[in-house]
Amino acid sequence: GQQVMQIPQYQHVQEGEDFTTYCNSSTTLSNIQWYKQRPGGHPVFLIQLVKSGEVKKQKRLTFQFGEAKKNSSLHITATQTTDVGTYFCAGPKMDSSYKLIFGSGTRLLVRP
Amino acid sequence: EAQVTQNPRYLITVTGKKLTVTCSQNMNHEYMSWYRQDPGLGLRQIYYSMNVEVTDKGDVPEGYKVSRKEKRNFPLILESPSPNQTSLYFCASSLTLSTNYGYTFGSGTRLTVV
Repeated sequence: GQQVMQIPQYQHVQEGEDFTTYCNSSTTLSNIQWYKQRPGGHPVFLIQLVKSGEVKKQKRLTFQFGEAKKNSSLHITATQTTDVGTYFCAGPKMDSSYKLIFGSGTRLLVRP
Repeated sequence: EAQVTQNPRYLITVTGKKLTVTCSQNMNHEYMSWYRQDPGLGLRQIYYSMNVEVTDKGDVPEGYKVSRKEKRNFPLILESPSPNQTSLYFCASSLTLSTNYGYTFGSGTRLTVV
């Protein structure tokens, strides 16, 4: 069945280092969304990418959607302790745009 | 404040005892959904609703029921809970019928079935 995979599963960085998480779908996606979940919290919507090759920035966060619309990445420049959490990508299922399938997430830990 | 409110936040129950987790949103969103989150499995969709009186199964609907009698409310019902339903549950809502808008999630309900 349709799958959305994320790597790495965990990443432990020193504060100030960069961080990247990758999202790969087994099928072409009409769009991809990114969410952040702080420890003990709930997922919070960060951004949606729709166009092939699209790049969006939010301060230190850069989001990319692949040309084939099957992969995406989130890059954080100069991580801070406030970036700690799990980052999820999500895309609509092939059989229904009402169903959103989430990746397994990348947990980011930042050493101060 | 625009939000999705879930209750209760924590619940410990016994096998077979019917329970309901409530979800309410104040944003006039048409689309609502329930997810469960388990370690290593990420977020999996249980049920979703496109509008009042319109619901459909997600990826893991077994053992759950939902209803959407009003636009703002989307309760999750476990008729006969079992230990494998121990999980963290999230309700989410979105403005439109498609997934082209981000979800707003509730704070979660941590359910333990013993």
